[in-house]
Amino acid sequence: KNEVEQSPQNLTAQEGEFITINCSYSVGISALHWLQQHPGGGIVSLFMLSSGKKKHGRLIATINIQEKHSSLHITASHPRDSAVYICAAYFGNEKLTFGTGTRLTIIP
Amino acid sequence: EPEVTQTPSHQVTQMGQEVILRCVPISNHLYFYWYRQILGQKVEFLVSFYNNEISEKSEIFDDQFSVERPDGSNFTLKIRSTKLEDSAMYFCASSVTVLGGNTIYFGEGSWLTVV
Repeated sequence: KNEVEQSPQNLTAQEGEFITINCSYSVGISALHWLQQHPGGGIVSLFMLSSGKKKHGRLIATINIQEKHSSLHITASHPRDSAVYICAAYFGNEKLTFGTGTRLTIIP
Repeated sequence: EPEVTQTPSHQVTQMGQEVILRCVPISNHLYFYWYRQILGQKVEFLVSFYNNEISEKSEIFDDQFSVERPDGSNFTLKIRSTKLEDSAMYFCASSVTVLGGNTIYFGEGSWLTVV
């Protein structure tokens, strides 16, 4: 069965801390998205990756195909980073299978 | 920054009524999707649409649901006879391709409440 698991479910950290959110998936994937969901509900794709590592500003996403694992890192976290971060994968077809999300709260 | 727009942002409807949710995907995109998120749950795939036909659908997308691209710009999701369990946030999304390094863009969502 195609499944995506995330951890932790909730994460609270102080401003400036280095954040890591983990994602694992059950079988081989074509590609994986890291998404950000704002309190109002809107979803934005942060990264799409199928191998290696991508960086955008303070955000870094990595994927290890052999270990079926991906991580999202946030350096120098800021309160505006507070949101739900979701890992979602393509299991060889057109539909994204979503994880449950990680609710991140950054305290000033 | 290109964006996917959805209307309405929020709709309340009586059980058994028909609902149409509208989306304007990004203009050069070829793949269109509907996803939904029941409150407190994961986002779930409903349907994908390419070349004016459904390319994939989930088991949720039964005969009560239909999609249409009536005029080359709008992409609609119709629920024929709404049930209480259809209450959810419905997201439209579009992409140039499915993979190939092209990302997917989501709308802000349409919150449907069935009473």
